[in-house]
Amino acid sequence: EAGVAQSPRYKIIEKRQSVAFWCNPISGHATLYWYQQILGQGPKLLIQFQNNGVVDDSQLPKDRFSAERLKGVDSTLKIQPAKLEDSAVYLCASSSLRSGKAKNIQYFGAGTRLSVL
Amino acid sequence: AQRVTQPEKLLSVFKGAPVELKCNYSYSGSPELFWYVQYSRQRLQLLLRHISRESIKGFTADLNKGETSFHLKKPFAQEEDSAMYYCALSAGGTSYGKLTFGQGTILTVHP
Repeated sequence: EAGVAQSPRYKIIEKRQSVAFWCNPISGHATLYWYQQILGQGPKLLIQFQNNGVVDDSQLPKDRFSAERLKGVDSTLKIQPAKLEDSAVYLCASSSLRSGKAKNIQYFGAGTRLSVL
Repeated sequence: AQRVTQPEKLLSVFKGAPVELKCNYSYSGSPELFWYVQYSRQRLQLLLRHISRESIKGFTADLNKGETSFHLKKPFAQEEDSAMYYCALSAGGTSYGKLTFGQGTILTVHP
């Protein structure tokens, strides 16, 4: 099966600019996650979607970050305006919460490496 | 709130030696624990989860609720085990599915 697709792979912007990341989850996965991974740290959840609804966005800096999953499939994560501390790898993951062997296993994309100058 | 601690950022062993990557967690309920691995130039992927009770690539991990630990072990390390390893916890209730990761341990297996 095709994995989680993310684009772009790399992005370099200046502070105060805007940037958007795109994610296409594994077909049939209702749950989609965006994580931020700062160098030297583990991934930190930003937002969790179940279909097109938000389940958890408690750690999303809502003054500058936004995310949507309009049709319950693809998702975009936007930062506007970017700050230096937003430099990180942004990971998208998807999972199926249905019963079965793959329940609650998250499958990750390759990530987008963002550098804010 | 849940927390995952991996006390070692770096771990080096020689090929054939036993290896143990430590993971401790704090969570008041019944968590689901995972080990994820990232090999060089590859994406983050599941290695094993405690409910499966499987041995994957020779690795095992036992959930010790008394010590709130989920250490990853392998009796004989191989060079291809060199990677970044993350311990992660999935809580229950409204947080079901959400993963809390530790900071990761870089394992290097020398020939």
